[in-house]
Amino acid sequence: DIQMTQSPSSLSASVGDRVTITCRASQSISNSLNWYQQKPGKAPQLLIYVASSLQSGVPSRFSGSGSGTDFTLTITSLQPEDFATYYCQQSFNTPRLTFGGGTRVDVK
Amino acid sequence: QLQLQESGPGLVKPSETLSLTCTVSGGSISSSSSYWGWIRQPPGKGLEWIGSVYYSGSTYYNPSLKSRVTISVDTSKNQFSLKLNSVTAADTAVYYCARRNAYYAMDVWGQGTTVTVSS
Repeated sequence: DIQMTQSPSSLSASVGDRVTITCRASQSISNSLNWYQQKPGKAPQLLIYVASSLQSGVPSRFSGSGSGTDFTLTITSLQPEDFATYYCQQSFNTPRLTFGGGTRVDVK
Repeated sequence: QLQLQESGPGLVKPSETLSLTCTVSGGSISSSSSYWGWIRQPPGKGLEWIGSVYYSGSTYYNPSLKSRVTISVDTSKNQFSLKLNSVTAADTAVYYCARRNAYYAMDVWGQGTTVTVSS
């Protein structure tokens, strides 16, 4: 099984900060990596697919990069509505999926 | 616009079978580019993929749950279903259904349904 490890597990930031979240795969997954945002009590929402493509309707302050085993989600200027938990997910051996453990972004 | 809605009992007794259904509206479950999946989230924890089904009936399960899970599809009703047997308190979670799109991402999710395992 492919394991996905996110870091950090949580971080504190302020509005306007640049935020970076890392996801590492236990083996190379090419660019088969998706990012989701989840707010309390809500279903996850797709932000980024195939490592760097922005899902329709997602603000351009979100971006993704990486390939192989190391990936990054960046929020260039954190907005109040961005405080949430973020998950990466590999789709390399789709339809079998694996999620990372999540990164909680809260207010500093 | 494609929408998914989970339904089923919110309370299941230990050792019994959890049964949920996801109804797809605004699109066809028989789309050749879509897989349909179940994901769960225990209270305060992360997301766990349970399994996925294709409209043809092909299924794929999380190895850690495979012995207890059955996912099926009913194209006539535009629905797919989850059965998880021999449940314990560890199966208490919010259960989501979702669509995997042509880019292999889960792009449409149901709102989730809370299932509690308790006597």
